[in-house]
Amino acid sequence: NAGVTQTPKFQVLKTGQSMTLQCAQDMNHNSMYWYRQDPGMGLRLIYYSASEGTTDKGEVPNGYNVSRLNKREFSLRLESAAPSQTSVYFCASRHANEQYFGPGTRLTVT
Amino acid sequence: AQSVTQPDIHITVSEGASLELRCNYSYGATPYLFWYVQSPGQGLQLLLKYFSGDTLVQGIKGFEAEFKRSQSSFNLRKPSVHWSDAAEYFCAVGDSGGYQKVTFGTGTKLQVIP
Repeated sequence: NAGVTQTPKFQVLKTGQSMTLQCAQDMNHNSMYWYRQDPGMGLRLIYYSASEGTTDKGEVPNGYNVSRLNKREFSLRLESAAPSQTSVYFCASRHANEQYFGPGTRLTVT
Repeated sequence: AQSVTQPDIHITVSEGASLELRCNYSYGATPYLFWYVQSPGQGLQLLLKYFSGDTLVQGIKGFEAEFKRSQSSFNLRKPSVHWSDAAEYFCAVGDSGGYQKVTFGTGTKLQVIP
């Protein structure tokens, strides 16, 4: 039981490049989330998925898209990366009222 | 709108001393409250949570927190801090809505000195 896994762990992009952050959970949870963490700002919700086939915007969705491929996987895509998207990205899944977090992806956009 | 305030950005305590990290929340109804810990380069680990019932909740690693509705607070405490407790601590408030919106505080970084 690996919990929530994220790939890659680290990534450096140039401005304008695209990439997809991958997230998978093996706990059979319906709800999944993408957050970004910036110094002094805590975690902010980018997108969430209440169940397979549904996605909705969170607080800071601009510049991102998501795909809930199946119950296990929830990916986050940056179509044209900007320096403002330099951050640590966390995926989480939820069971009952508790969220379980992945180890994070540290993304730098130059 | 729900919100969380952690007034202390950085706290330094001596090993063996007691610890209290402050958290104030704003939420219209009875909140779901959480404390998470994040070690450097790691994800978030849940320390404890409060949903209802006894207002003093026990968590992992010897931590406890007390929910005080009158003060809108959920402070985290530990009687004796260990060097391994050095980390960043986040308070969070969640609702019971469809997707459980969770709002995080800005975190308190704990330094433990010998």
